[in-house]
Amino acid sequence: ILNVEQSPQSLHVQEGDSTNFTCSFPSSNFYALHWYRWETAKSPEALFVMTLNGDEKKKGRISATLNTKEGYSYLYIKGSQPEDSATYLCASPTDKLIFGTGTRLQVFP
Amino acid sequence: KAGVTQTPRYLIKTRGQQVTLSCSPISGHRSVSWYQQTPGQGLQFLFEYFSETQRNKGNFPGRFSGRQFSNSRSEMNVSTLELGDSALYLCASSLTAGVSYNEQFFGPGTRLTVL
Repeated sequence: ILNVEQSPQSLHVQEGDSTNFTCSFPSSNFYALHWYRWETAKSPEALFVMTLNGDEKKKGRISATLNTKEGYSYLYIKGSQPEDSATYLCASPTDKLIFGTGTRLQVFP
Repeated sequence: KAGVTQTPRYLIKTRGQQVTLSCSPISGHRSVSWYQQTPGQGLQFLFEYFSETQRNKGNFPGRFSGRQFSNSRSEMNVSTLELGDSALYLCASSLTAGVSYNEQFFGPGTRLTVL
């Protein structure tokens, strides 16, 4: 059984703080690692799909790293803004996407 | 470009009934996947369709079924509804087959309540 785990479950930060979350996944039989942002009342939105060990991807103030050998990925948000408030999901697929339960981020002005 | 659309957005059914949910993918996308979101279980993969064929299925009972039409639109059916089927059902589309490598574009979901 493939378990994808995310930590922390929730996070409250002040506007301007930088923050990071962790996604852990079994490293055997690795295909790819997905990150999604899910804002309340909206649809999940893809942030990154990462496939290579050591991969680093960036989109604005959000970046992610991938370590397939040890089975983890970090998502970083630099200078958090209230509009970053959302649940951040990672997913590691075999032939189907297995999602973690997410990290719920709240950024206070 | 229009996004993924799902109908209906909200649905209330009673135990024992059946329900059909519809998903229209982004134009040009040929893969459609379905997911169930419940508070306790998070997002769980139901199945993926590509070119009218089911490619993969998650760990759900046979009461959950789906199909895809030649225009890539997909429907999901749940028969003999149970209280535990109350959930948000999301569909997602992608350009090619295989959820592993392809970014998924999600619809707004159908909120199903079973009474």
